[in-house]
Parts: sequence; structure tokens; C-alpha cells
Amino acid sequence: QQQVKQSPQSLIVQKGGISIINCAYENTAFDYFPWYQQFPGKGPALLIAIRPDVSEKKEGRFTISFNKSAKQFSLHIMDSQPGDSATYFCAADPNYGGATNKLIFGTGTLLAVQP
Amino acid sequence: GAGVSQSPSNKVTEKGKDVELRCDPISGHTALYWYRQRLGQGLEFLIYFQGNSAPDKSGLPSDRFSAERTGESVSTLTIQRTQQEDSAVYLCASSINLSGGATYNEQFFGPGTRLTVL
Repeated sequence: QQQVKQSPQSLIVQKGGISIINCAYENTAFDYFPWYQQFPGKGPALLIAIRPDVSEKKEGRFTISFNKSAKQFSLHIMDSQPGDSATYFCAADPNYGGATNKLIFGTGTLLAVQP
Repeated sequence: GAGVSQSPSNKVTEKGKDVELRCDPISGHTALYWYRQRLGQGLEFLIYFQGNSAPDKSGLPSDRFSAERTGESVSTLTIQRTQQEDSAVYLCASSINLSGGATYNEQFFGPGTRLTVL
């Protein structure tokens, strides 16, 4: 109930291609879905986030697609660049706007963009 | 301004020893979180502090783990009698906790402390 399942575990994409990372959840109480980007030796940093009242959010080359009925959401990186090579984590927050923001994280996807 | 800082960046210890990890949150951030990141895995919530409220300790894996925070400043995570399975990166995050509104309280992470228990 408290899990967020993420796939694939690793992904290799050619420069200019589209990177797609998928996540699924079970608990319908989750109501905020951030994606974090983590470079080696650094802490995760918020990349983009979505609320379940919208089906898509786009920021530059990064897009989140959200399917509430299927309880799935995905990150699309358009025109992938070598600088996008990092580990990406999806997460879910069951306490949006409430007393805590105790994030439940997926297991991460290691993305490598080849030049 | 300065981000979240953690020290030490690396810690190697022997099984059975106690360790203390430190986190300095962003000034003005009332909420502070500790997470554990095992190799190849996602982040695992450990504990949450919000102002002077009682901390949410629901993620602590055993009574060997404890954490303290002085007011809205520094926090220390203590692991007693360390075990090899405690080896991981321990991440601290802080946020401005504006409850009841329409704003998500973004968590800002520090670089982590890599703990290795031999």
C-alpha cells in the first residue's frame, strides 16, 4: 500500500532521444508526485512535480504524464542530453499540504545518455 | 544562500561502534528529515522533525537508531552498536513547512554521509 514501483532500473538512451521512466502506486491517498534527480555524490534535487488533478505537466524538456485511474505516472525527457545522465527517483506524498511531507520513493532509474 | 550541509561526508567504522551524523538545515526551514539510501535502492524515510512538535520516528529501523534536533537548527542522527547492514548513505533534507496551503513543501537535500561499517 505504501510502495511506489519504478521501472526500468537502468536506461541507456542516445543523445537527442526520449527517455521514459515509469512509476506505479497503489495507495489512492497519495496526492502529490515529485520527481528527483540525483548526480553521483550529491543529494537528490527536485526536478518536476505533479498533482493528481492534472494529467500532464511540462517544464522545458521534462514532462510528467499522470494516469489517475491506472495509478501510474511517468517522466519523459525529450531531446536527452549527456548532462541528463543521473539517477531519477519518483516519489509520492500522502500528506500534501498537511503536517508532514513524508515522501515514499521509488527504487530509482540510472539513466545514461550516450553522445 | 547555503544549502543543507552534512558531516562527515564519509565515515568508516567498525562493527559495534557508535556513530553520530550531523545535519545543518537551511536557515529558516522548520522541517527536517532523515533518509537512508542503501546501494542501488531508493530513499527510505527514517525520521521527521517539525518545530517543537514530537518527531515522527516511524521510519527508524531499530532502537539502535535515534535522532535529536535542537530547536530549528542542527540535527544529529546516532546509530549505536553499528552493524554491517547499517552501511548506506544517510541523507538529510529540510523544508519550509507551510501546512494547510496549496504549496508543496519542497525538500532540499544535503549531499549525504556515506557510512561504511566494517
